[in-house]
Amino acid sequence: DARVTQTPRHKVTEMGQEVTMRCQPILGHNTVFWYRQTMMQGLELLAYFRNRAPLDDSGMPKDRFSAEMPDATLATLKIQPSEPRDSAVYFCASGHRGGGSTDTQYFGPGTRLTVL
Amino acid sequence: DAKTTQPPSMDCAEGRAANLPCNHSTISGNEYVYWYRQIHSQGPQYIIHGLKNNETNEMASLIITEDRKSSTLILPHATLRDTAVYYCIVRVDHFGNEKLTFGTGTRLTIIP
Repeated sequence: DARVTQTPRHKVTEMGQEVTMRCQPILGHNTVFWYRQTMMQGLELLAYFRNRAPLDDSGMPKDRFSAEMPDATLATLKIQPSEPRDSAVYFCASGHRGGGSTDTQYFGPGTRLTVL
Repeated sequence: DAKTTQPPSMDCAEGRAANLPCNHSTISGNEYVYWYRQIHSQGPQYIIHGLKNNETNEMASLIITEDRKSSTLILPHATLRDTAVYYCIVRVDHFGNEKLTFGTGTRLTIIP
């Protein structure tokens, strides 16, 4: 049963520290998404990639957030420096587009980030 | 993408059919209706989607009204594991526009 994996599952850090979250998309999927969920804002898209190229990162604070795909099996979301308002659950999702495939996104279990 | 309106919460008895409504009166002709759910502390899970015809899969059925201004997700025999927040999302299935905009959803509680 193919799944999206995310590490770490939980992260507690202090304000000002760098945080890196990792995602392994489902093998063969060519689209990767990063979402953030908070009680106040709900689920919101931060950025997404197709074939490792960024397609939309308009939801991401540019000054401190960065998202990359070093290779097809790894996506990273980095926050530097982290702030308490970044505390949230960060979800990665993957999907496959092309060849008439439907637009279904498969979500990982999330990384719960707490910035003190 | 068209706006959707869902009731904030619903209860359903275990074993009964759960019918979750969604209004999308401003939907346009090329917008699909998607349903996802999020069980507590987990990532959202795709359930089903449709354009104008009713759809059924192993998880649920989707009934879309003829004018497409509303739809109903049906879980035919609800179990306790179906307790979750259910999101109705209306969007164009356009290559290069895969963004999902989640609203507040309906919190469905299955009662034993």
